Amino acid sequence: AQSVTQLDSHVSVSEGTPVLLRCNYSSSYSPSLFWYVQHPNKGLQLLLKYTSAATLVKGINGFEAEFKKSETSFHLTKPSAHMSDAAEYFCVVSDENYGGATNKLIFGTGTLLAVQP
Amino acid sequence: EPEVTQTPSHQVTQMGQEVILRCVPISNHLYFYWYRQILGQKVEFLVSFYNNEISEKSEIFDDQFSVERPDGSNFTLKIRSTKLEDSAMYFCASSEGDRDQETQYFGPGTRLLVL
Repeated sequence: AQSVTQLDSHVSVSEGTPVLLRCNYSSSYSPSLFWYVQHPNKGLQLLLKYTSAATLVKGINGFEAEFKKSETSFHLTKPSAHMSDAAEYFCVVSDENYGGATNKLIFGTGTLLAVQP
Repeated sequence: EPEVTQTPSHQVTQMGQEVILRCVPISNHLYFYWYRQILGQKVEFLVSFYNNEISEKSEIFDDQFSVERPDGSNFTLKIRSTKLEDSAMYFCASSEGDRDQETQYFGPGTRLLVL
């Protein structure tokens, strides 16, 4: 069964410093992986997705993630944090339901990013 | 940019009452989903819907839940007799179809509180 593990429940960085949010996945096949962001009292916004094309994926707001099969990781990074990046970030894998018509998403537990001035 | 919309944004109801949560998916999308997030917990899959029928449902999605696409634009989740533990944020999502079925776009959510 597919799953994702987000290694840190909370990460705190200073504005202008790099962001690293860690995610490891478990999958029998080459998975489709996503990062979503949830700002306070808002919905889930797609940041980026990996679907077996380039291993380095660029997303919105300067975020990027690298798919590393050897490490089963899909960490999210940003070179320089901004105050507006403070939010909860979810690593997500698409379920491998080849027998069905739809692919449900399996969410990690989330990482709450705090950005200090 | 097209987006998924949901109404209402907040709903307070008494235990045992029926609620209907409404969603308008992105117009050319073919696959529809409901997820929920209980406060402090993971986002969990409830149900997926394609071609006017349920494609997959989780064990959470019992007989108290139903989904419907009553017309060409709306997608609803009905909870027949709400329980306290149904209090959660409910998210609707949709995905395009053949070209990119996996990428799901989420609505802003409906926060349901059952008293």
